[in-house]
Amino acid sequence: KAGVTQTPRYLIKTRGQQVTLSCSPISGHRSVSWYQQTPGQGLQFLFEYFSETQRNKGNFPGRFSGRQFSNSRSEMNVSTLELGDSALYLCASSRDSNWSPYGYTFGSGTRLTVV
Amino acid sequence: TQLLEQSPQFLSIQEGENLTVYCNSSSVFSSLQWYRQEPGEGPVLLVTVVTGGEVKKLKRLTFQFGDARKDSSLHITAAQPGDTGLYLCAGNAGNMLTFGGGTRLMVKP
Repeated sequence: KAGVTQTPRYLIKTRGQQVTLSCSPISGHRSVSWYQQTPGQGLQFLFEYFSETQRNKGNFPGRFSGRQFSNSRSEMNVSTLELGDSALYLCASSRDSNWSPYGYTFGSGTRLTVV
Repeated sequence: TQLLEQSPQFLSIQEGENLTVYCNSSSVFSSLQWYRQEPGEGPVLLVTVVTGGEVKKLKRLTFQFGDARKDSSLHITAAQPGDTGLYLCAGNAGNMLTFGGGTRLMVKP
């Protein structure tokens, strides 16, 4: 079966611009989570969506937002980009509504560079 | 805020050696997962441990969950160059994962 698909793979943006990243989960998975990975901070949780509802949010400023569509695909948006937003953004999907003993399946990520 | 501390941060060993990676927290997690990540890719799940004291084996990899469900370890026997990568532990609390800082392992032939 197809894995988690993230687009685009690479993105270069200028400070002050905004960006939208896309994630298509595994078919049948209704939970989509987003993580930011940087060398200094490691993997940090951004937010999680289940059935189009945001159920949990990490400690990130309001410039970071997301949404989920009825087909479970998700997008995240970052407005007014800052240099520190340069990171690998990872999307993960899982089939369960709460905790996932089956683990999460991650996409390959979108590498965002802000210049 | 729940934190997971992993040690060591870096490990460089020769092929055939054994190693252990530790993951510690002051918080209790409902489950703990270990992932391996290669450059340019997302983390890939290796194992999920749920019960305190649980031990799981995956070929040369042995995972243990502490009795109090606050810590875990990953032991690799006879490491091979193919084991090279970033190993991440992640605690599951509700519908989010809290990741440790990772252990970057390099196995030299």
